[in-house]
Amino acid sequence: AQSVTQLDSQVPVFEEAPVELRCNYSSSVSVYLFWYVQYPNQGLQLLLKYLSGSTLVESINGFEAEFNKSQTSFHLRKPSVHISDTAEYFCAVRRPSASKIIFGSGTRLSIRP
Amino acid sequence: DTEVTQTPKHLVMGMTNKKSLKCEQHMGHRAMYWYKQKAKKPPELMFVYSYEKLSINESVPSRFSPECPNSSLLNLHLHALQPEDSALYLCASSQPSGGEQFFGPGTRLTVL
Repeated sequence: AQSVTQLDSQVPVFEEAPVELRCNYSSSVSVYLFWYVQYPNQGLQLLLKYLSGSTLVESINGFEAEFNKSQTSFHLRKPSVHISDTAEYFCAVRRPSASKIIFGSGTRLSIRP
Repeated sequence: DTEVTQTPKHLVMGMTNKKSLKCEQHMGHRAMYWYKQKAKKPPELMFVYSYEKLSINESVPSRFSPECPNSSLLNLHLHALQPEDSALYLCASSQPSGGEQFFGPGTRLTVL
């Protein structure tokens, strides 16, 4: 079985500061890894994904995540955050052959001006 | 078109009402999902349809009844709900195996 742990339930940071949202997973088989973002009163949007290939994946709005197999981690980073990044961020895993996706408990990113 | 649409956006219903939530996608995905999300929690999977057949039911109470009329549409029929069923209901779609799920904006359901 797979599981996902997001170590921080809330991360407050100042605008233009760097941020890292931590995600660790547990699985006995290879998995796909995802970060989803949920802005207030909206559905989930895919931020970025790791399926295979390069372990560093980037999104169009400046976020990046690195797949680390030895540490079973997929931490999300951004070098300089904006007020508009205020949202809930969910890390998720999925076995390639499965339809079910396993979500972490979420990290609320709050940006202070 | 990479969009999943859901209607209505908001729904308020009494415990004796019957209502339906609707979801539509035109990405050619053959797997569709219903999730329930409570405030400050991750989405909880309710049902999965694969090739228009129900493949996963996560022990959801029978007052929730899913339906997949065709490969683009997914409905969730609601009857005799309880106040604790109030939540954001999310629909998603994907290819049946692998890749990401695309989520709709959700229906905010309030049961009085």
